[in-house]
Parts: sequence; C-alpha cells; structure tokens
Amino acid sequence: KNQVEQSPQSLIILEGKNCTLQCNYTVSPFSNLRWYKQDTGRGPVSLTIMTFSENTKSNGRYTATLDADTKQSSLHITASQLSDSASYICVVSALNAGNMLTFGGGTRLMVKP
Amino acid sequence: GEEVAQTPKHLVRGEGQKAKLYCAPIKGHSYVFWYQQVLKNEFKFLISFQNENVFDETGMPKERFSAKCLPNSPCSLEIQATKLEDSAVYFCASSQWSLTSSTDTQYFGPGTRLTVL
Repeated sequence: KNQVEQSPQSLIILEGKNCTLQCNYTVSPFSNLRWYKQDTGRGPVSLTIMTFSENTKSNGRYTATLDADTKQSSLHITASQLSDSASYICVVSALNAGNMLTFGGGTRLMVKP
Repeated sequence: GEEVAQTPKHLVRGEGQKAKLYCAPIKGHSYVFWYQQVLKNEFKFLISFQNENVFDETGMPKERFSAKCLPNSPCSLEIQATKLEDSAVYFCASSQWSLTSSTDTQYFGPGTRLTVL
C-alpha cells in the first residue's frame, strides 16, 4: 500500500530560526514528490516538485531534498518568518494509470515572535 | 493570475439531504481533481478528470458520490443523501498536464466546507 509519513506532526520555532521537516514514503513506482504549504482555511500551494533525477530544489527560503534510494525527503526552511506558520504537506505521485497522488498527514509549523 | 474557483464557500445540509459543490478550473487546464479533507487531516483523493472524461475514480465512494466536468460549465461534485461523516472540506485542484513531470504544478481552490447536521 502506498504511504507517506511525515514528521514531526507539529513544531514550534522562534522567528528567525531554521527548521527541517521530514517525509518518508513507500510509493511505487515513484514519479515525483511535491511539498505544499497550506495556510489555515486555504487550499495548499505548491512549493517544490522533484522527479527521480532531482535531489534538491529551492524556492526562496524553502529547500527540498530527495533521496530516492532511501525514499526520504526533507523540507528545510531558512530564517523562518511568522508567515511560515502553516501546515506543510508532502505528496508523492505514483507512475501509473491516473498518476495517483498520496498525501502525507502534514507537519503543523508555528513560528513565534 | 487566474485561480481555481470553488462555490459555495460553506454549505450546511441536514443528514439525508443532497449537496452539490462547484469548481471552475484555471482556463487552459485539462485536469481537474477533487479531494476530501476531514478535520485538517490527510487529503483523500476522490476523482480526477481529463477535460470532460473521468481520468481516475479509484477514490470515489460508489454509492452516494458523483462528479461531472461538462464543456463550458463548472465541474461539480454531488453527494446524494449526505451522512454525518461527509462533513469535511472539499478541495478542487487543476493542472495543465497529468502531474508526471516537475513542471506540472497543481493549483488548489480555497475549498468548500460541508457541514452535515
């Protein structure tokens, strides 16, 4: 069964600090991995998308890494801001008919002043 | 730029009543996806369309849920005879292509919150 596990479930950090969120998956055959940011009461917004051949991708202060051998990904947030408070969701796509997306449970990040 | 539009924002139904949700994808996007998110937890995939054709419906509960994407009309998700456990936020998303490459960005709408009493 395709699964995506994220850790930690929740995280509180001080403004200006860095943090790293983890994602482990068992989706096969692997197509691509996406990180989304979901603000409270809104739909998710795409941060990064990585295919099998890409092992790092940046979007401003967000940097995602992918290790397709160990089936792990991380999202690193540098110099956090209050606006980074949100849920961060890891989504893995399987290379099959329909290209089904499997969503992780998300990490709820709170950035405090 | 353009956004995925979903209506209504909130919908309240008594148990057993029908609920119909609408989604207007971004112009030019061929793929539409419906997801259910219960209590801010994991997204459950329901169904996807390629233009007006069902692309993948493996997540769709067979009995009470139906969906359509007709030309020149918003896509719709309909729940017949709603149950308490249908209470959730229903998100629609659209993409230009089928999400197989790193350039296929999926854009989500703001969601419709369905409350079944």
